Amino acid sequence: GIQVEQSPPDLILQEGANSTLRCNFSDSVNNLQWFHQNPWGQLINLFYIPSGTKQNGRLSATTVATERYSLLYISSSQTTDSGVYFCAVLDPAWAGGTSYGKLTFGQGTILTVHP
Amino acid sequence: KAGVTQTPRYLIKTRGQQVTLSCSPISGHRSVSWYQQTPGQGLQFLFEYFSETQRNKGNFPGRFSGRQFSNSRSEMNVSTLELGDSALYLCASSKAGQGAHEQYFGPGTRLTVT
Repeated sequence: GIQVEQSPPDLILQEGANSTLRCNFSDSVNNLQWFHQNPWGQLINLFYIPSGTKQNGRLSATTVATERYSLLYISSSQTTDSGVYFCAVLDPAWAGGTSYGKLTFGQGTILTVHP
Repeated sequence: KAGVTQTPRYLIKTRGQQVTLSCSPISGHRSVSWYQQTPGQGLQFLFEYFSETQRNKGNFPGRFSGRQFSNSRSEMNVSTLELGDSALYLCASSKAGQGAHEQYFGPGTRLTVT
Protein backbone atom coordinates (compact mmCIF):
# COMPACT_ATOMS: atom_id res chain seq x y z
CA GLY A 1 0.00 0.00 0.00
CA ILE A 2 0.87 3.64 -0.14
CA GLN A 3 3.45 5.03 2.28
CA VAL A 4 3.09 8.48 3.86
CA GLU A 5 5.94 10.25 5.61
CA GLN A 6 5.75 13.52 7.50
CA SER A 7 8.53 15.82 8.59
CA PRO A 8 9.66 17.10 10.94
CA PRO A 9 8.34 14.78 13.66
CA ASP A 10 8.56 17.56 16.24
CA LEU A 11 8.57 21.34 15.91
CA ILE A 12 8.91 23.92 18.67
CA LEU A 13 8.21 27.57 17.90
CA GLN A 14 7.81 30.90 19.58
CA GLU A 15 4.51 32.64 19.09
CA GLY A 16 4.55 34.68 15.91
CA ALA A 17 6.95 32.43 14.02
CA ASN A 18 6.21 30.79 10.68
CA SER A 19 6.56 27.10 9.90
CA THR A 20 6.35 24.58 7.09
CA LEU A 21 5.27 20.97 7.53
CA ARG A 22 5.94 18.43 4.81
CA CYS A 23 4.13 15.29 3.68
CA ASN A 24 5.67 12.88 1.18
CA PHE A 25 3.73 10.00 -0.33
CA SER A 26 4.87 7.02 -2.33
CA ASP A 27 2.24 6.83 -5.07
CA SER A 28 -0.09 9.05 -7.03
CA VAL A 29 -3.16 10.14 -5.08
CA ASN A 30 -6.42 11.87 -5.80
CA ASN A 31 -7.32 12.70 -2.21
CA LEU A 32 -5.03 14.35 0.30
CA GLN A 33 -6.19 15.90 3.53
CA TRP A 34 -4.48 17.82 6.34
CA PHE A 35 -5.83 17.51 9.87
CA HIS A 36 -5.11 19.10 13.22
CA GLN A 37 -5.71 16.82 16.19
CA ASN A 38 -6.86 18.79 19.18
CA PRO A 39 -5.93 17.89 22.79
CA TRP A 40 -9.15 15.89 23.14
CA GLY A 41 -8.28 13.72 20.18
CA GLN A 42 -10.64 14.99 17.51
CA LEU A 43 -9.28 15.39 14.00
CA ILE A 44 -10.16 18.80 12.65
CA ASN A 45 -10.21 19.19 8.87
CA LEU A 46 -7.78 21.82 7.65
CA PHE A 47 -7.55 21.22 3.92
CA TYR A 48 -8.77 18.83 1.28
CA ILE A 49 -6.13 19.39 -1.35
CA PRO A 50 -5.37 16.68 -3.92
CA SER A 51 -3.45 19.27 -5.95
CA GLY A 52 -2.81 23.00 -6.14
CA THR A 53 -2.78 25.63 -3.42
CA LYS A 54 -5.40 26.68 -0.89
CA GLN A 55 -5.40 29.26 1.86
CA ASN A 56 -7.51 29.64 4.97
CA GLY A 57 -6.52 32.54 7.18
CA ARG A 58 -3.02 32.02 8.55
CA LEU A 59 -2.86 28.51 7.09
CA SER A 60 -2.17 27.52 3.54
CA ALA A 61 -1.36 24.26 1.80
CA THR A 62 0.19 23.23 -1.47
CA THR A 63 0.14 19.78 -3.05
CA VAL A 64 2.38 18.91 -6.00
CA ALA A 65 0.87 15.59 -6.98
CA THR A 66 3.35 14.90 -9.78
CA GLU A 67 6.23 15.14 -7.29
CA ARG A 68 4.29 13.37 -4.54
CA TYR A 69 4.46 15.88 -1.74
CA SER A 70 2.32 18.38 0.10
CA LEU A 71 3.26 21.31 2.32
CA LEU A 72 1.31 22.96 5.12
CA TYR A 73 2.30 26.52 5.98
CA ILE A 74 1.45 28.13 9.29
CA SER A 75 2.15 31.84 9.53
CA SER A 76 2.23 34.01 12.67
CA SER A 77 1.77 30.93 14.85
CA GLN A 78 -0.32 31.13 18.02
CA THR A 79 -0.35 28.92 21.12
CA THR A 80 -3.70 27.53 19.98
CA ASP A 81 -1.93 26.08 16.92
CA SER A 82 -0.21 23.58 19.18
CA GLY A 83 -1.10 19.95 18.64
CA VAL A 84 -0.48 17.19 16.15
CA TYR A 85 -0.80 17.74 12.42
CA PHE A 86 -1.54 14.79 10.18
CA CYS A 87 -1.66 14.40 6.47
CA ALA A 88 -3.62 11.49 5.05
CA VAL A 89 -4.06 10.14 1.56
CA LEU A 90 -6.63 7.88 0.00
CA ASP A 91 -5.03 4.60 -1.02
CA PRO A 92 -5.10 4.80 -4.82
CA ALA A 93 -5.73 1.08 -5.13
CA TRP A 94 -9.25 1.79 -3.95
CA ALA A 95 -9.99 5.27 -5.24
CA GLY A 96 -11.24 4.08 -8.59
CA GLY A 97 -13.22 1.18 -7.21
CA THR A 98 -16.00 0.95 -4.69
CA SER A 99 -14.16 2.01 -1.57
CA TYR A 100 -13.38 5.59 -0.61
CA GLY A 101 -12.75 5.38 3.10
CA LYS A 102 -9.30 3.92 3.46
CA LEU A 103 -7.11 6.84 4.42
CA THR A 104 -3.45 6.16 5.09
CA PHE A 105 -2.01 8.57 7.64
CA GLY A 106 1.47 9.84 8.21
CA GLN A 107 2.93 9.64 11.71
CA GLY A 108 2.21 13.29 12.35
CA THR A 109 4.13 16.42 13.30
CA ILE A 110 3.89 17.50 16.93
CA LEU A 111 3.83 21.29 16.99
CA THR A 112 4.42 23.20 20.21
CA VAL A 113 4.03 26.97 20.19
CA HIS A 114 5.36 28.81 23.23
CA PRO A 115 4.04 32.26 24.26
CA LYS B 1 -25.36 20.79 9.95
CA ALA B 2 -24.41 18.50 12.83
CA GLY B 3 -21.03 16.81 12.66
CA VAL B 4 -20.12 13.17 13.16
CA THR B 5 -21.10 11.96 16.60
CA GLN B 6 -19.71 9.04 18.55
CA THR B 7 -20.90 7.38 21.72
CA PRO B 8 -19.77 6.73 24.31
CA ARG B 9 -16.87 9.17 24.57
CA TYR B 10 -15.03 7.21 27.25
CA LEU B 11 -15.18 3.58 28.21
CA ILE B 12 -13.37 1.34 30.68
CA LYS B 13 -13.59 -2.40 30.20
CA THR B 14 -11.92 -5.49 31.60
CA ARG B 15 -9.93 -8.02 29.60
CA GLY B 16 -12.18 -10.64 28.06
CA GLN B 17 -15.24 -8.43 27.89
CA GLN B 18 -16.76 -7.12 24.69
CA VAL B 19 -17.62 -3.58 23.71
CA THR B 20 -19.84 -1.83 21.15
CA LEU B 21 -19.11 1.66 19.89
CA SER B 22 -21.55 3.78 17.91
CA CYS B 23 -21.08 6.36 15.16
CA SER B 24 -23.66 8.63 13.52
CA PRO B 25 -22.44 10.21 10.27
CA ILE B 26 -23.16 13.67 8.95
CA SER B 27 -26.63 13.82 7.44
CA GLY B 28 -26.46 12.75 3.79
CA HIS B 29 -23.16 10.93 4.16
CA ARG B 30 -23.38 7.28 3.20
CA SER B 31 -19.89 6.00 3.97
CA VAL B 32 -18.61 5.38 7.48
CA SER B 33 -15.05 4.32 8.24
CA TRP B 34 -13.42 3.35 11.52
CA TYR B 35 -9.84 3.96 12.65
CA GLN B 36 -7.82 2.96 15.68
CA GLN B 37 -5.21 5.32 17.11
CA THR B 38 -2.52 4.11 19.50
CA PRO B 39 0.78 5.75 20.50
CA GLY B 40 2.78 2.91 18.98
CA GLN B 41 0.95 2.29 15.71
CA GLY B 42 -0.54 5.68 14.95
CA LEU B 43 -3.80 5.90 13.03
CA GLN B 44 -4.80 2.63 11.39
CA PHE B 45 -7.78 1.82 9.20
CA LEU B 46 -10.20 -0.77 10.61
CA PHE B 47 -13.04 -1.01 8.09
CA GLU B 48 -15.44 0.94 5.93
CA TYR B 49 -19.16 0.56 5.36
CA PHE B 50 -21.30 1.84 2.54
CA SER B 51 -24.97 0.98 1.99
CA GLU B 52 -24.89 -1.45 4.90
CA THR B 53 -22.06 -3.43 3.31
CA GLN B 54 -18.48 -3.72 4.44
CA ARG B 55 -16.42 -2.68 1.43
CA ASN B 56 -12.94 -2.62 2.86
CA LYS B 57 -11.20 -4.07 5.90
CA GLY B 58 -7.86 -3.32 7.50
CA ASN B 59 -5.41 -5.77 8.99
CA PHE B 60 -7.12 -6.47 12.30
CA PRO B 61 -8.18 -9.78 13.87
CA GLY B 62 -11.69 -11.11 13.55
CA ARG B 63 -12.47 -9.91 17.08
CA PHE B 64 -13.07 -6.53 15.45
CA SER B 65 -16.34 -6.34 13.57
CA GLY B 66 -18.85 -3.77 12.53
CA ARG B 67 -22.11 -3.09 10.81
CA GLN B 68 -24.04 -0.27 9.23
CA PHE B 69 -27.75 0.36 9.47
CA SER B 70 -30.13 1.64 6.81
CA ASN B 71 -29.88 5.18 8.21
CA SER B 72 -26.06 4.99 7.72
CA ARG B 73 -25.35 4.85 11.45
CA SER B 74 -22.60 2.37 12.23
CA GLU B 75 -21.46 0.30 15.16
CA MET B 76 -18.22 -1.49 15.75
CA ASN B 77 -17.77 -4.35 18.16
CA VAL B 78 -14.65 -5.73 19.78
CA SER B 79 -14.99 -9.11 21.46
CA THR B 80 -12.69 -10.74 23.98
CA LEU B 81 -10.92 -7.49 24.77
CA GLU B 82 -7.15 -7.46 25.21
CA LEU B 83 -4.98 -4.86 26.91
CA GLY B 84 -3.62 -3.88 23.51
CA ASP B 85 -7.09 -2.82 22.38
CA SER B 86 -6.81 0.26 24.57
CA ALA B 87 -6.94 3.07 22.06
CA LEU B 88 -8.82 6.03 20.66
CA TYR B 89 -11.37 4.80 18.14
CA LEU B 90 -12.34 7.35 15.51
CA CYS B 91 -15.04 7.14 12.94
CA ALA B 92 -15.27 9.22 9.79
CA SER B 93 -18.01 9.84 7.30
CA SER B 94 -18.01 10.95 3.69
CA LYS B 95 -20.52 11.34 0.90
CA ALA B 96 -18.81 8.56 -1.06
CA GLY B 97 -19.72 7.75 -4.64
CA GLN B 98 -17.71 8.35 -7.79
CA GLY B 99 -14.48 10.17 -7.17
CA ALA B 100 -12.75 10.74 -3.84
CA HIS B 101 -14.51 12.66 -1.13
CA GLU B 102 -13.43 14.50 1.95
CA GLN B 103 -13.53 12.59 5.23
CA TYR B 104 -14.96 14.15 8.41
CA PHE B 105 -14.11 12.70 11.80
CA GLY B 106 -16.04 12.38 15.02
CA PRO B 107 -14.64 13.19 18.48
CA GLY B 108 -13.66 9.57 19.12
CA THR B 109 -14.25 7.00 21.81
CA ARG B 110 -11.37 6.48 24.23
CA LEU B 111 -11.35 2.83 25.30
CA THR B 112 -9.29 1.65 28.24
CA VAL B 113 -8.94 -2.09 28.85
CA THR B 114 -7.75 -3.11 32.31
